[in-house]
Amino acid sequence: KNQVEQSPQSLIILEGKNCTLQCNYTVSPFSNLRWYKQDTGRGPVSLTIMTFSENTKSNGRYTATLDADTKQSSLHITASQLSDSASYICVVTPWGVTGGGNKLTFGTGTQLKVEL
Amino acid sequence: NAGVTQTPKFRVLKTGQSMTLLCAQDMNHEYMYWYRQDPGMGLRLIHYSVGEGTTAKGEVPDGYNVSRLKKQNFLLGLESAAPSQTSVYFCASSYSGRESSYNSPLHFGNGTRLTVT
Repeated sequence: KNQVEQSPQSLIILEGKNCTLQCNYTVSPFSNLRWYKQDTGRGPVSLTIMTFSENTKSNGRYTATLDADTKQSSLHITASQLSDSASYICVVTPWGVTGGGNKLTFGTGTQLKVEL
Repeated sequence: NAGVTQTPKFRVLKTGQSMTLLCAQDMNHEYMYWYRQDPGMGLRLIHYSVGEGTTAKGEVPDGYNVSRLKKQNFLLGLESAAPSQTSVYFCASSYSGRESSYNSPLHFGNGTRLTVT
């Protein structure tokens, strides 16, 4: 069964520090990998997306990297802010699937807390 | 644009009661979905719809029914609630499945927290 595993499960960092979240997947072949941010009590919101041929994608202080050979992705957050406190979810779309969300594989998320 | 709106935000049911969760989107999206989110598990697809008047089963459909009578609305029904259905339910929508998934992120509502006692 296709899986997406994320680590760590939870993380606490001080404001201003950097952190890296990991995503390992077994979905193969795959089309693209997307990171979502989910604030407490809210729905997930798309942060970045990378196709199988892309290695890195940035969105402000968020940088996602992808190594399709090792089936690993990471999300790096630079100069963290209190508002970065959220769950970060890795989602993989299998190859050949168009826009439909009925074939996606979701990770369980990393819960990040940024403290003063 | 409001995006995806879910009602109610919270609900407590007793075992055996029924209810309907409402989802509305104003982005003219073809595809709509119902997911549930439980601690320690990824979002799991309950049912989805590829257009008005159509519905299909997802990964965990048992105990739920859905209807899509209008393009902008997708309803999730629980006929006889069970404690195992205690969860946070998310509705989402996306552009047509014919669009590249690269350009079609899911747009989520803010969830309905359901407790069944």
